[in-house]
Amino acid sequence: ETGVTQSPTHLIKTRGQQVTLRCSSQSGHNTVSWYQQALGQGPQFIFQYYREEENGRGNFPPRFSGLQFPNYSSELNVNALELDDSALYLCASSFSPGQGEDFGPGTRLTVT
Amino acid sequence: RKEVEQDPGPFNVPEGATVAFNCTYSNSASQSFFWYRQDCRKEPKLLMSVYSSGNEDGRFTAQLNRASQYISLLIRDSKLSDSATYLCVVNIRSSYKLIFGSGTRLLVRP
Repeated sequence: ETGVTQSPTHLIKTRGQQVTLRCSSQSGHNTVSWYQQALGQGPQFIFQYYREEENGRGNFPPRFSGLQFPNYSSELNVNALELDDSALYLCASSFSPGQGEDFGPGTRLTVT
Repeated sequence: RKEVEQDPGPFNVPEGATVAFNCTYSNSASQSFFWYRQDCRKEPKLLMSVYSSGNEDGRFTAQLNRASQYISLLIRDSKLSDSATYLCVVNIRSSYKLIFGSGTRLLVRP
């Protein structure tokens, strides 16, 4: 059973709004990554945090931002939501960057 | 061209069959390789890492060919519970991000 938890499970937002998704990593995992997964696709890397600093970023606009906290929790913030932001957002953690990651159950975001 | 390419399938096989999935990657700086399994509407779960010498975990065998930039996963004696999408994943040296393929869907029938 995964030690990574995410909240909320599901969320419905309106175009233009802002959203904050939360993740609690496994204890001791210093690295957290966020992914966006559209239906029928593999997860797409958004960004990674290592020891509370951004460690890498994928091809996502600046309205996607994040934070990592000392207690192994993290946030993904998305501003000015667009319809195409509707997807499953996955949080994953590992002991250090580059290792296999443990995923949380995801937050399914629907933008209307 | 996608950085990680997989045959989307689906592969429809009977119980007990042996099935192989292939994956190619484009970045020669890739340094770590993994296979993940994802059940419908669930999160991906790490199935196994892939090492240059090849590695086996029970019914599952993974192979890596760095020269051809090719990764494979072999499943022997397929079980109904093996039905899932199998994701090929590579990690690029110096960037640390994991790059996922779109996945290959496996259906094991009775």
